[in-house]
Amino acid sequence: GQQVMQIPQYQHVQEGEDFTTYCNSSTTLSNIQWYKQRPGGHPVFLIQLVKSGEVKKQKRLTFQFGEAKKNSSLHITATQTTDVGTYFCAAIQGAQKLVFGQGTRLTINP
Amino acid sequence: SAVISQKPSRDICQRGTSLTIQCQVDSQVTMMFWYRQQPGQSLTLIATANQGSEATYESGFVIDKFPISRPNLTFSTLTVSNMSPEDSSIYLCSAQVGTGSTDTQYFGPGTRLTVL
Repeated sequence: GQQVMQIPQYQHVQEGEDFTTYCNSSTTLSNIQWYKQRPGGHPVFLIQLVKSGEVKKQKRLTFQFGEAKKNSSLHITATQTTDVGTYFCAAIQGAQKLVFGQGTRLTINP
Repeated sequence: SAVISQKPSRDICQRGTSLTIQCQVDSQVTMMFWYRQQPGQSLTLIATANQGSEATYESGFVIDKFPISRPNLTFSTLTVSNMSPEDSSIYLCSAQVGTGSTDTQYFGPGTRLTVL
């Protein structure tokens, strides 16, 4: 079945530094979704990208969908301690089933 | 969006017993799903809970071990049967809001299961 590979697995940054996580697929994706899971919490939907080359912004978060619709990235500018958590990309497979990437766990040194 | 509740939030169970987890959505939804998440790992889909019919299980998951009910459009249960310590995990239900392939899933808070 479809797989999405996500890197890096872990990222530790100083508060104020930028952070990026990448998601790649060997097949063309119909869309890509991003979720954030705080420590001890459940995944919370952040955004969905559908169009080739699409770029969306949410305050300090920038989401991109590749031109070939095979990769995506999430970039956080000037991280804050509230950004701590694990960020997952997920792609639709078949009948609305989500396939999740491995996740990138972000920790921040205040 | 949808608000999803699960209960119990956590439980500690003995080997060989079964636990039923309930998932309630505050609105009618077409699609509901059950996931398992091992500590520090990603989410693995167990099955799609189909309203009025048998659930659709993913590879590696079977109905005898994880029976699922979906009596209506707002409620589902997952039972973890004949538990072993390897079943210790977080179990999450989710609901898809909308009907198209571009719609999103909302997750319940999860049930943290420990099997001794």
